[in-house]
Amino acid sequence: GAVVSQHPSWVICKSGTSVKIECRSLDFQATTMFWYRQFPKKSLMLMATSNEGSKATYEQGVEKDKFLINHASLTLSTLTVTSAHPEDSSFYICSARVGQVFSNYGYTFGSGTRLTVV
Amino acid sequence: GQQLNQSPQSMFIQEGEDVSMNCTSSSIFNTWLWYKQEPGEGPVLLIALYKAGELTSNGRLTAQFGITRKDSFLNISASIPSDVGIYFCAGRGIYGGSQGNLIFGKGTKLSVKP
Repeated sequence: GAVVSQHPSWVICKSGTSVKIECRSLDFQATTMFWYRQFPKKSLMLMATSNEGSKATYEQGVEKDKFLINHASLTLSTLTVTSAHPEDSSFYICSARVGQVFSNYGYTFGSGTRLTVV
Repeated sequence: GQQLNQSPQSMFIQEGEDVSMNCTSSSIFNTWLWYKQEPGEGPVLLIALYKAGELTSNGRLTAQFGITRKDSFLNISASIPSDVGIYFCAGRGIYGGSQGNLIFGKGTKLSVKP
């Protein structure tokens, strides 16, 4: 159980275009999802927290107008990289929080999306 | 902000050897999680720890939640080639609020020589 599906697994786009990445919880409802960015050989950096039905909470330094997050349903959150530039090339990973009790929250990750902007 | 110090940064070991890695913090955490990430994939949960002092095993893996709530370790016994990957610790602080955000260590890259 608690499977998170992320799509696409990789994408190449031209500079100036927008790219949408989807994150779906397949067998559970995820009221909270997280979006991370990972640079080569680096750790995961939290970009934003996505709550179903409300605006996402962005971490300091993350441009909310560039990285649009929509969490319109309990099973789907999307990250749209708008007007992508080569420096946006990275590995983007989503995660969903599992569980109803704060003390026992679990976190399941998607398989990631490799974005390359050319 | 809260930070996790994970060590070692990398390890090169012989198949069959035991492995130990740890994470420490100056802040208290109420949850410690250990993940393994392989190239081009998202992290996969190995072990979750929710109580100070908790010792949990998952096959050849054993992890403990430190009594002080500021550290955790992961041991892998009798390593095999498929153990290769990057291991991340992640903690959720007591000040995570309703979001329960995770903070990640910088990872330990494990290489196993057959």
